[in-house]
Amino acid sequence: DTEVTQTPKHLVMGMTNKKSLKCEQHMGHRAMYWYKQKAKKPPELMFVYSYEKLSINESVPSRFSPECPNSSLLNLHLHALQPEDSALYLCASSQELAVRELFFGEGSRLTVL
Amino acid sequence: AQSVTQPDIHITVSEGASLELRCNYSYGATPYLFWYVQSPGQGLQLLLKYFSGDTLVQGIKGFEAEFKRSQSSFNLRKPSVHWSDAAEYFCAVGGIMEYGNKLVFGAGTILRVKS
Repeated sequence: DTEVTQTPKHLVMGMTNKKSLKCEQHMGHRAMYWYKQKAKKPPELMFVYSYEKLSINESVPSRFSPECPNSSLLNLHLHALQPEDSALYLCASSQELAVRELFFGEGSRLTVL
Repeated sequence: AQSVTQPDIHITVSEGASLELRCNYSYGATPYLFWYVQSPGQGLQLLLKYFSGDTLVQGIKGFEAEFKRSQSSFNLRKPSVHWSDAAEYFCAVGGIMEYGNKLVFGAGTILRVKS
């Protein structure tokens, strides 16, 4: 059982919609991550938060907007997405930023029409 | 270029047969090494990890991996594969300073199990 919870599991949205993906962990981890994964590819890092501050932004388009309201929560706000943004979005957490072990959620499957 | 290589895109084994999935890395220092498994449409589950010490690492679900510094390899093994092991397997490295300590994944190996 994963200790990183992601909602929703599935999301279908139009290109003009605004939606959000949510991630929660209660392991006391201080680093949280968003990854994007296309079919049959490895996950690609999007954002990293460390102690609730944005630490890494991998040149992600501004239509993806991350937010870390507190140490347990991580959101990804979506606006004006393109069909090519359809993917599995994975949240992960680790004790600290220096990566020793990442714990992944089950992912949110996003389809953009 | 520095990288993580999983040379086999697909592997098919018979149920009950042994399995070895290969992983090589090309970083100067010994990084942290991980194997993750992903079932279709699911998240990644950590199978095992190596940071230092004993080079033979035991993981969950009967998997083990051996770190060989001379070969820059961290191959995953299982003596007897079960049908439920069919999934995609990712090798990953972390703790690489020039990558900002980010986790770097290999391309993945899809394991098929035939009965």
